[in-house]
Amino acid sequence: DTVLTQSPALAVSPGERVTISCRASESVSTLMHWYQQKPGQQPTLLIYLASNLESGVPARFSGSGSGTDFTLTIDPVEADDTATYYCQQSWNDPWTFGGGTKLELK
Amino acid sequence: EVQLVESGGGLVQPGRSLKLSCAASGFTFSNYYMAWVRQAPKKGLEWVATISTSGSRTYYPDSVKGRFTISRDNAKSSLYLQMNSLKSEDTATYYCARHAPYYGYDSPFDYWGQGVMVTVSS
Repeated sequence: DTVLTQSPALAVSPGERVTISCRASESVSTLMHWYQQKPGQQPTLLIYLASNLESGVPARFSGSGSGTDFTLTIDPVEADDTATYYCQQSWNDPWTFGGGTKLELK
Repeated sequence: EVQLVESGGGLVQPGRSLKLSCAASGFTFSNYYMAWVRQAPKKGLEWVATISTSGSRTYYPDSVKGRFTISRDNAKSSLYLQMNSLKSEDTATYYCARHAPYYGYDSPFDYWGQGVMVTVSS
């Protein structure tokens, strides 16, 4: 299975720029997607196909990457962005998720 | 407004069965691939199953293949997950999710339900 590796946690101040990385154990082309999950809630789709912003998602969120290295950027970070962020690939069956990066605001 | 509402969760003994349901509304259910994704307590997300628009094709990871069966009733806009031979490691919140309409079962999950808890314990 394709393993997706994310840093466990990050802490940033409101107004700063944050990058969350996701590294795949093998190429996933551009079939990488990003989700936000706030405590006690279901995940929501932020970015699809590596760099496409889902409808209704603020333009502060952006994604980049291809192959094995991907990045989710939030600029600027707001207090409401406190959440866990997951990457997910759909190039190699079975579809897999990263372990999640918990973003905390200072 | 797209809504996905799961039901059927609860406490079940190891080796027993349970069937989850998901009622969909706010979109043309029969036009979308649908899926189940689970999340063990304090853990990450795991894709469990996907079904094609007509129900003729299903997809599973090895961890549940042969034990879980996904199905759908397009007339009722409902999705199901039959879980057999349950194990303690199947304990999780189970989310009903819609695949985005870009491709097929390799599309991301663009809408999720609130989830239903399944606890497998004696």
